Amino acid sequence: DAGVIQSPRHEVTEMGQEVTLRCKPISGHDYLFWYRQTMMRGLELLIYFNNNVPIDDSGMPEDRFSAKMPNASFSTLKIQPSEPRDSAVYFCASSLGSKRRGNTIYFGEGSWLTVV
Amino acid sequence: QKEVEQNSGPLSVPEGAIASLNCTYSDRGSQSFFWYRQYSGKSPELIMFIYSNGDKEDGRFTAQLNKASQYVSLLIRDSQPSDSATYLCAVKGDYKLSFGAGTTVTVRA
Repeated sequence: DAGVIQSPRHEVTEMGQEVTLRCKPISGHDYLFWYRQTMMRGLELLIYFNNNVPIDDSGMPEDRFSAKMPNASFSTLKIQPSEPRDSAVYFCASSLGSKRRGNTIYFGEGSWLTVV
Repeated sequence: QKEVEQNSGPLSVPEGAIASLNCTYSDRGSQSFFWYRQYSGKSPELIMFIYSNGDKEDGRFTAQLNKASQYVSLLIRDSQPSDSATYLCAVKGDYKLSFGAGTTVTVRA
């Protein structure tokens, strides 16, 4: 089975540019999560969706960040305009029936973003 | 207070020894607990989860949970160089996982 697929794997962009990260969750999973990982702050939840609907976006740092999930097999995380402090690894993850105790989430390989 | 706290490490153990990793959490309503392993430059991968008090064993890994003390641990027996990685403790409430900062383990050959 294909896992969570993210693109691009690596991106270097200039400050002020728009960045769009893409994610395809595991087929059949109804929860999708966007995490950000930095050395300073560790792994932080930015936003999550259930059945394509955003449920909790309290972790989104600023209005510069937005996320969408137009259908069950695709989600985007957009940063506009990007800043150097946005440099991090962005992970997309998905799970099935998230409220069940044993259900865990499965991570994609991550998108390594560098803003210069 | 952070939701999930781990011993900061790094933790260095000789090959064949037991590595002991600790994690505490603040939300008493947390229902299940996970240990992930993350190799440098890779994504986190699930090692095991536990939701009942006591011990749960899976191969060389043992997770221990004490809800009264809000404490979770992971023991790695017979540590191998391939176990060198960062170990993340994650705590689940209703729907989301909250992660600790991770403990980096180095197994010396």
